Amino acid sequence: DAGVIQSPRHEVTEMGQEVTLRCKPISGHDYLFWYRQTMMRGLELLIYFNNNVPIDDSGMPEDRFSAKMPNASFSTLKIQPSEPRDSAVYFCASSLSFGGHAPPVTQYFGPGTRLLVL
Amino acid sequence: QKEVEQDPGPLSVPEGAIVSLNCTYSNSAFQYFMWYRQYSRKGPELLMYTYSSGNKEDGRFTAQVDKSSKYISLFIRDSQPSDSATYLCAMSAGASWGKLQFGAGTQVVVTP
Repeated sequence: DAGVIQSPRHEVTEMGQEVTLRCKPISGHDYLFWYRQTMMRGLELLIYFNNNVPIDDSGMPEDRFSAKMPNASFSTLKIQPSEPRDSAVYFCASSLSFGGHAPPVTQYFGPGTRLLVL
Repeated sequence: QKEVEQDPGPLSVPEGAIVSLNCTYSNSAFQYFMWYRQYSRKGPELLMYTYSSGNKEDGRFTAQVDKSSKYISLFIRDSQPSDSATYLCAMSAGASWGKLQFGAGTQVVVTP
């Protein structure tokens, strides 16, 4: 299995530009999570989906952030407009719920997208 | 105050020593307790998972949960340089098991 795939791996953009991060979860997984990691705030859950439906978006910092999951194999996290304080590593993770072989709480993380907003 | 507290370290130990890591938490609803390992510039990976209280052992790793004290621990025996990484505790409540709360992570350095 290729694991969780994220693109791009690095993104440098200027303040005010739109940024789109992409994620392909592990095939068959029914949960997808978006996290942000910074030195100051650590690893924070932004939003998670179950069967392509957003379950909890209470971690989304503000309206500039939006996430979609149009199908079971693809999700996007969009920031518009971007600001320097959005600079962070953004991780996508996927998980298989009850009935799978792994404990339901096991989340498999992708390699992350390093975002720098100038 | 954060729901999950973890000393960021760094924690430096000689090869072969026992590494002791811990987290405290304030939310008594937490039932799922995990330890993730994160190598530099990589995504976290699950090491250990415990449901409710008790101990769990997996090779050189032992996880302990004391719900009465709201305290969890991870022990790494016979530490190796390859164990050098950041270790993050994570936990969630039963009703929303997917909503993990992470500690800040402890950086561990095992010196040869």
